[in-house]
Amino acid sequence: RKEVEQDPGPFNVPEGATVAFNCTYSNSASQSFFWYRQDCRKEPKLLMSVYSSGNEDGRFTAQLNRASQYISLLIRDSKLSDSATYLCVVNFPSGGKLIFGQGTELSVKP
Amino acid sequence: NAGVTQTPKFQVLKTGQSMTLQCAQDMNHNSMYWYRQDPGMGLRLIYYSASEGTTDKGEVPNGYNVSRLNKREFSLRLESAAPSQTSVYFCASRSRGTISYTFGSGTRLTVV
Repeated sequence: RKEVEQDPGPFNVPEGATVAFNCTYSNSASQSFFWYRQDCRKEPKLLMSVYSSGNEDGRFTAQLNRASQYISLLIRDSKLSDSATYLCVVNFPSGGKLIFGQGTELSVKP
Repeated sequence: NAGVTQTPKFQVLKTGQSMTLQCAQDMNHNSMYWYRQDPGMGLRLIYYSASEGTTDKGEVPNGYNVSRLNKREFSLRLESAAPSQTSVYFCASRSRGTISYTFGSGTRLTVV
């Protein structure tokens, strides 16, 4: 089993749609969780951290369920500029290492 | 601009050749990391350096060596390149007390 698994993509949605990405992780000792965004052929960039109580940043909402070892990202009112690959990222308890999921590609169409 | 600088940006090697990928950060970060990214595989950790003077293997270290030359620089060496090492390589750094990374812009390596 992969340490971090994400929904397979790609997700093709129209502008204005709401889209949700899911992710599961295997190491129950993990303490920190993130969503990164990666544009085509560029480096990943931090989109948002994920907190136990859930957190929101504008149109983006992240949720964490520790009992189920499940993380989600909800994007409301999708924009063309949201088209990218979204990476679910979990820290490895020792050494500060981050483990990346394989990514889910989002394509927002006019 | 402050950040993580990787060189070269692109490289084509012949099987069996060697090369070193360079990475430098000017943010005074303690930890540095090398990842490779292949289609459908996400980013996989090759080696990391938690602090100056230390290096450790990650998930896919075979065929690679690293050197943490000083606090700023962390290089990745391919001693005898193989086609399976064709990939995009990302260097990242992290400050003590934080978890999130700053990434370099990547090196696109092709081994023929």
